Amino acid sequence: EPEVTQTPSHQVTQMGQEVILRCVPISNHLYFYWYRQILGQKVEFLVSFYNNEISEKSEIFDDQFSVERPDGSNFTLKIRSTKLEDSAMYFCASSGTSGLETQYFGPGTRLLVL
Amino acid sequence: GDSVTQMEGPVTLSEEAFLTINCTYTATGYPSLFWYVQYPGEGLQLLLKATKADDKGSNKGFEATYRKETTSFHLEKGSVQVSDSAVYFCALSKPNTDKLIFGTGTRLQVFP
Repeated sequence: EPEVTQTPSHQVTQMGQEVILRCVPISNHLYFYWYRQILGQKVEFLVSFYNNEISEKSEIFDDQFSVERPDGSNFTLKIRSTKLEDSAMYFCASSGTSGLETQYFGPGTRLLVL
Repeated sequence: GDSVTQMEGPVTLSEEAFLTINCTYTATGYPSLFWYVQYPGEGLQLLLKATKADDKGSNKGFEATYRKETTSFHLEKGSVQVSDSAVYFCALSKPNTDKLIFGTGTRLQVFP
């Protein structure tokens, strides 16, 4: 069964460093998403991406964040200058031909900023 | 704003016990409601959903009914198994928006 994959599974970085989290969505999907979950808190929507542009973003997704689909298979989340409060589990998701369809999630990347 | 509230965990049950995980929501308009499950080391998987009031979603023995009058979508299962041990997330989505709004998740632990 097709699945969303994410790499790395864990990432430790120093405050102020740039990180790139990678996701491979399901191959025929057209909508892509990033969510995050700070330990003990809710899973929060960050951004959605369709047709090579951001379709929706939350107030969390400020200028420090960017997303890109650099090729036909990868979808990346970049944090330019990490802060301690960026420590969280980051989930990638994808859905098919409509943003209203079921979103399929990857296993997550746990980011720890020291 | 729109939000989802779930009961705190962990919920600890013996095998074959009855399960209820409470979920209530606050939203304007007509949201769709979802339960996602996360097994250890895996991503969130859609367990069931309901798109309008009084709809019942069901899957793998789990059920939840969309109750608009009580703004609830409680998850139930008549007889849990050890393999049901996971984290369960209640979520909603609104028409004309891409995002899912999640609760904090409830960890279920089932012991033999």
